[in-house]
Amino acid sequence: GENVEQHPSTLSVQEGDSAVIKCTYSDSASNYFPWYKQELGKRPQLIIDIRSNVGEKKDQRIAVTLNKTAKHFSLHITETQPEDSAVYFCAASRGNAGNMLTFGGGTRLMVKP
Amino acid sequence: GAVVSQHPSRVICKSGTSVKIECRSLDFQATTMFWYRQFPKQSLMLMATSNEGSKATYEQGVEKDKFLINHASLTLSTLTVTSAHPEDSSFYICSAASPGGYTEAFFGQGTRLTVV
Repeated sequence: GENVEQHPSTLSVQEGDSAVIKCTYSDSASNYFPWYKQELGKRPQLIIDIRSNVGEKKDQRIAVTLNKTAKHFSLHITETQPEDSAVYFCAASRGNAGNMLTFGGGTRLMVKP
Repeated sequence: GAVVSQHPSRVICKSGTSVKIECRSLDFQATTMFWYRQFPKQSLMLMATSNEGSKATYEQGVEKDKFLINHASLTLSTLTVTSAHPEDSSFYICSAASPGGYTEAFFGQGTRLTVV
């Protein structure tokens, strides 16, 4: 089955700096890679996703890059703000509607004012 | 996006009792729903895949007789934790994917189960 590794497990940055979180996956058939932000006790919120036919996707301060050959994808947050502090999860799936997600271990991001 | 509603959001039960958690897709039909468990400061781990009208598929290490899943309609899946023990205390969360060609998963609010 799929295995998703995520690094770092914790990340502390100064407000305004950039944050980068990296994930690797094992299943070459995976073709859908979402990123979630989860605040304590709440459901994961999708912040950005990318499909395998695209190498990069950007949405305002958030971007995701995908390297299919190396089987890794990364989340980039620029101009971080204190409200970006949360736990971020990457995930991978085979992408068909209804297919399960395999999550990375999570990254606790702390943005210091 | 589509809405998935999960109830209850919090439940406290005594050891040995059973707890039922409901997961509903409110504005779409979900032939497949997923149940995850999340322990404190850990990731979401898939427990089982719930298929409408058929038996659930459980992940390795998840006891099917302890975590009963029923998906009797296209909008409702239930997870029953039977004979709950303190080690079952966790955050349980369901998700469903819209069958309309989208791959995004929609999550319920989650259920914080505490077994005392």
